[in-house]
Formats: sequence, C-alpha cells, structure tokens
Amino acid sequence: KAGVTQTPRYLIKTRGQQVTLSCSPISGHRSVSWYQQTPGQGLQFLFEYFSETQRNKGNFPGRFSGRQFSNSRSEMNVSTLELGDSALYLCASSLGLAGGRSSYEQYFGPGTRLTVT
Amino acid sequence: LAKTTQPVSMDSYEGQEVNITCSHNNIATNDYITWYQQFPSQGPRFIIQGYKTKVTNEVASLFIPADRKSSTLSLPRVSLSDTAVYYCLVGDMARNYGQNFVFGPGTRLSVLP
Repeated sequence: KAGVTQTPRYLIKTRGQQVTLSCSPISGHRSVSWYQQTPGQGLQFLFEYFSETQRNKGNFPGRFSGRQFSNSRSEMNVSTLELGDSALYLCASSLGLAGGRSSYEQYFGPGTRLTVT
Repeated sequence: LAKTTQPVSMDSYEGQEVNITCSHNNIATNDYITWYQQFPSQGPRFIIQGYKTKVTNEVASLFIPADRKSSTLSLPRVSLSDTAVYYCLVGDMARNYGQNFVFGPGTRLSVLP
C-alpha cells in the first residue's frame, strides 16, 4: 500500500506571496491532518479534515487554510507569506474513525519544506 | 490536556535495551498514551499506543503503571538506525484533538557503535 505523498517536496517563496501544498493520503484513509514543524516551536497541529469537512483546528491565523476533496486528497494554502512561515509542513492521514472519534495512529508524509525569503 | 515530560536526550550502544520514560501526572481517565519516532527531515512514525499495563508490538513495548502517571517506551536491542527523536503524546482523541498533537521537544536518542 502506497504511503502518504506530499508535493512539492521543496518550495521557495517570497514574502507576501501565497502557496498551496498538496497531500495524498493512504488509500482508504478519510482523515487528513496538517502540521507545521519548526526548530523553535516543534511540531504543531494546523487542522484536520474528514470527509471534506474541517473537523478540528489548531491555533493558527486565518492565513492558513485547507480543504479536502471527495477522494480524500487535501490541499493547504498559506496566503500573504511571512518569514516566520518557513517550516517543514507535514501531512498525516488516518482512518478517521466515525462518531467523532479519530484514530490515534497517524501516518505522516515526508513533508514539504517551505522557505520564505 | 495532560502535559508530558521526557528526558531531552539519551545515549546508548548498539545491542542494548533502551527505556525512555514519559511523565504525565495530569493524565485523564479517557486519555491514551502514544509514542512516535522521527528521523531527520521525515515525518513522525507511529510506534505504539496504550491505555494501561503493557503493550507489545514488533517494534517496542510500552509499560504503563497502575496509576498511569508515567509510561516507559522500551526498545529492545537498539541499532544505529534507531537514532531518532521519540515523542510521547497523551490525550483523548475524541476531544481536544488538535491539542493532542503538540509534539514538544521529545527525547533525542543517539545510538553509538
């Protein structure tokens, strides 16, 4: 079974621009979560999508948004980029159990390293 | 949300058993304990999860005492490829989902030849 894939793997943008990152989950997984990892802040949760709906959201500004398609693929968008947005952005998929519960076992992709200059 | 405390770093030698302890004094009744492993420039990898007593899989064992205020990840006979950062997470996935995935600094394990 193929793992979680993320594209692109590396990206360089300038301040003020916007960026869209893509994530393809493991086949059969309906939940996709996004995380930001920086040396200073560690790995922090951005949001989670399940069946095309944002189910959970972390404490990030509205410049960070996402969506999920009917095939469970997900995109994350960051508008008006700031230097502090330079980070490794990780996507994780899981079964995303029904009834409001989520799986504890998540499978992470290799990440997209975003550099903002 | 139960806050966790882990050692910042640990060193070990190949072939030894490594035990990493995580303290979570404020763990709630519905909270589970989950461990992840992360190599440089890669996403974290799920290792093991438990609620109480002992859980074992092909990779590791997880020991949880009766009071559940701590847990110990045990890696048998480590090799150089086990050099990584190990994260302990505690939370109830049915609630506070996002808060459960603040990974913190983790424990940096270095396996020496």
